[in-house]
Amino acid sequence: GAVVSQHPSRVICKSGTSVKIECRSLDFQATTMFWYRQFPKQSLMLMATSNEGSKATYEQGVEKDKFLINHASLTLSTLTVTSAHPEDSSFYICSAREGGLAGNTGELFFGEGSRLTVL
Amino acid sequence: QQQVKQSPQSLIVQKGGISIINCAYENTAFDYFPWYQQFPGKGPALLIAIRPDVSEKKEGRFTISFNKSAKQFSLHIMDSQPGDSATYFCAASMRSGSEKLVFGKGTKLTVNP
Repeated sequence: GAVVSQHPSRVICKSGTSVKIECRSLDFQATTMFWYRQFPKQSLMLMATSNEGSKATYEQGVEKDKFLINHASLTLSTLTVTSAHPEDSSFYICSAREGGLAGNTGELFFGEGSRLTVL
Repeated sequence: QQQVKQSPQSLIVQKGGISIINCAYENTAFDYFPWYQQFPGKGPALLIAIRPDVSEKKEGRFTISFNKSAKQFSLHIMDSQPGDSATYFCAASMRSGSEKLVFGKGTKLTVNP
């Protein structure tokens, strides 16, 4: 099946610094990628929808200036947490939908997640 | 407003038993209903999915039952194994899955040996 890779899997940073998380679709092109946030023992909360070549669409309540999303190619989307604070500590998960202009299967493939700890 | 309600929150089953997790949705525009399995520290993995044109879909030990009139769908895990111990999420989306997924709150399944 399709593989989505996230990097880094774990990152620890100091408060006030910025952290970039990468999401790559390894064997397919993804015009759309999604970024989720998951707190311990809770469900996945969609943060934003990342569209290749255009601005991301953020969910209500998500600060777009704090969580910068870039989708520069059909295989790479990045999430940058700017001026991180301890409350930003969470598990961030990306997903990508297989299929470009045609052949959209609707199936989402998820990355392994990136655990961010802000000290 | 929670669009997909999942129950139970946790479930303990003996090895060989049947695990049943239920979900209910409100938006009749939903037309794609996947189930995801998530192990601790890992991303979710698609287990099985169903569209509303069928009432049941089976893949190995996993079966989705779908009741369109009741707006409910459930996951049945037959012959549950300790390796099935994980958190399971139901989800729903519109436009055959091309729209964003709305997730249930998850069910932590523990299968005792």
